[in-house]
Amino acid sequence: DAKTTQPPSMDCAEGRAANLPCNHSTISGNEYVYWYRQIHSQGPQYIIHGLKNNETNEMASLIITEDRKSSTLILPHATLRDTAVYYCIVRTNNAGNMLTFGGGTRLMVKP
Amino acid sequence: DTGVSQNPRHKITKRGQNVTFRCDPISEHNRLYWYRQTLGQGPEFLTYFQNEAQLEKSRLLSDRFSAERPKGSFSTLEIQRTEQGDSAMYLCASSFLGEGFGKLFFGSGTQLSVL
Repeated sequence: DAKTTQPPSMDCAEGRAANLPCNHSTISGNEYVYWYRQIHSQGPQYIIHGLKNNETNEMASLIITEDRKSSTLILPHATLRDTAVYYCIVRTNNAGNMLTFGGGTRLMVKP
Repeated sequence: DTGVSQNPRHKITKRGQNVTFRCDPISEHNRLYWYRQTLGQGPEFLTYFQNEAQLEKSRLLSDRFSAERPKGSFSTLEIQRTEQGDSAMYLCASSFLGEGFGKLFFGSGTQLSVL
């Protein structure tokens, strides 16, 4: 699977949009971009995933650049409960391929 | 359905003892995964099952680690002769084959402390 690079930490003001970047410059054509988050003392939680097109669900939006070498996870109105470690993972969508977590970005939402 | 359930939430044991953790996945999920997470690191994949078949176990950390899923429902992870380096959070996740292979639902984990 392609390696991802994320900033180790970010701050965001409560109520503002949180934009979390991820670089995956070696991504190949059949690899998806997945985002998970992990709130303290809990297991990781699936947020969203995409291949080429931008995606939106009730939790977040995923913007993937046209060359697919980077993406941004957007939390449109961050709340204190969004404070967590956010993981960007790139993987092929086949049966034998496991999710490989890196270090992630520690997002701190501040009042 | 309350999600993936793991028991116990915390386990303290002495070095050399055996420990067993249990995971109850979401009922209709046929895939079950075990991960380990040490402080400050992302989760590390250990093994997974599809129904009762263990399809990948080469990532289990040593032969002291074993996992079972006897009837394709709950699973257990056993660590024999525990060492202090085994102290970590052990996470279980499940997924439904029809939803693709990247959308996993995780439990809250079992925190193991080996004294």
